[in-house]
Amino acid sequence: DGGITQSPKYLFRKEGQNVTLSCEQNLNHDAMYWYRQDPGQGLRLIYYSQIVNDFQKGDIAEGYSVSREKKESFPLTVTSAQKNPTAFYLCASSKDRDLNYGYTFGSGTRLTVV
Amino acid sequence: AQTVTQSQPEMSVQEAETVTLSCTYDTSESDYYLFWYKQPPSRQMILVIRQEAYKQQNATENRFSVNFQKAAKSFSLKISDSQLGDAAMYFCAYRRRNNDMRFGAGTRLTVKP
Repeated sequence: DGGITQSPKYLFRKEGQNVTLSCEQNLNHDAMYWYRQDPGQGLRLIYYSQIVNDFQKGDIAEGYSVSREKKESFPLTVTSAQKNPTAFYLCASSKDRDLNYGYTFGSGTRLTVV
Repeated sequence: AQTVTQSQPEMSVQEAETVTLSCTYDTSESDYYLFWYKQPPSRQMILVIRQEAYKQQNATENRFSVNFQKAAKSFSLKISDSQLGDAAMYFCAYRRRNNDMRFGAGTRLTVKP
């Protein structure tokens, strides 16, 4: 079955370290997104990508970086510049940005700073 | 920027009863889409229902239906015959053509047996 796979499910980061969250999809979707979820704040957009080798900043991109070298993959790196990285991170994809498609979501990664 | 407001942080309903979750949004666009997502304790986001803004008819999916009031910019979700499995966080979302999706802060629904 097609879907989105996020790994790892839980991730612990020490102060000053960079960590990378994986997101892979086999839905042949063009667009991919990264959201951050904090209690009481819903989902906030970090980065998104419509096509390979192209991506744009969302509302809270500072301290994060992404790449889109393959259509199937959209990894997110949380850098040491992100001062409050503890959160739940959700990756999503959609068939085409133009159309009335909802998103398909991965199961998320819980990142904790230790 | 478009904003989505869910004014009810928490709601509860008795099993088999009906509950309505509220959502309002702010936009100057005329062509957009609205969604309700469910996030159970597993935290997997599940699409519940969607509504095209140009359609006057309210969307329905089994026990889930919406009351879409375009002029009032209101998009409420009604859950009929509530079941224990309906207990979850519910997020209202707005998507404008050629743009990403914006989410409300969510409403936590508890279903009492």
